[in-house]
Amino acid sequence: AQTVTQSQPEMSVQEAETVTLSCTYDTSESDYYLFWYKQPPSRQMILVIRQEAYKQQNATENRFSVNFQKAAKSFSLKISDSQLGDAAMYFCAFKYGNKLVFGAGTILRVKS
Amino acid sequence: SQTIHQWPATLVQPVGSPLSLECTVEGTSNPNLYWYRQAAGRGLQLLFYSVGIGQISSEVPQNLSASRPQDRQFILSSKKLLLSDSGFYLCASSRPWDSSYEQYFGPGTRLTVT
Repeated sequence: AQTVTQSQPEMSVQEAETVTLSCTYDTSESDYYLFWYKQPPSRQMILVIRQEAYKQQNATENRFSVNFQKAAKSFSLKISDSQLGDAAMYFCAFKYGNKLVFGAGTILRVKS
Repeated sequence: SQTIHQWPATLVQPVGSPLSLECTVEGTSNPNLYWYRQAAGRGLQLLFYSVGIGQISSEVPQNLSASRPQDRQFILSSKKLLLSDSGFYLCASSRPWDSSYEQYFGPGTRLTVT
């Protein structure tokens, strides 16, 4: 089965601190893409970062980076220097066929 | 880049009434199109996807149907709404030449069935 597991329903972080959101997945594909999407209170889904599975180098986008462990099928998101605007629901996803399979999401709260 | 439009933004409908939600895409031709439903505070449930005009794949048997009458238009419909159809409906698009199938999302429609 093609599944994504986000084991942390909710996380909290102090402003300016670092937080890591976990994601594990199960797929029979050998070549695929992984994504983190952010859904703020406006509910507009925004792509945060993406990773190509055949690339060993972890993707980075400004304060956002991933720790991709292909053998462990783990794809965690690290947010550095957290800001109030990072408060949102975060979804992990991977490409399967011509679709994306999404996890259940992690709510991130940022404390000032 | 792509822009996804959805309307209406908000809709309140009585049980048993029909439904039509529309999604249109700008900025790309022959996109792959997707309809998702999201319950409050929950994840995304893929309802339908389409890889071309008239080509619809259903992911979950339900009270809804989808159509794609034009290349960049995707419609979600129901003949008779149920209370369980309430939710937040998102339309998404991916570019046909992008092997990652990265998806771009519209702003969503909040549907309340009373």
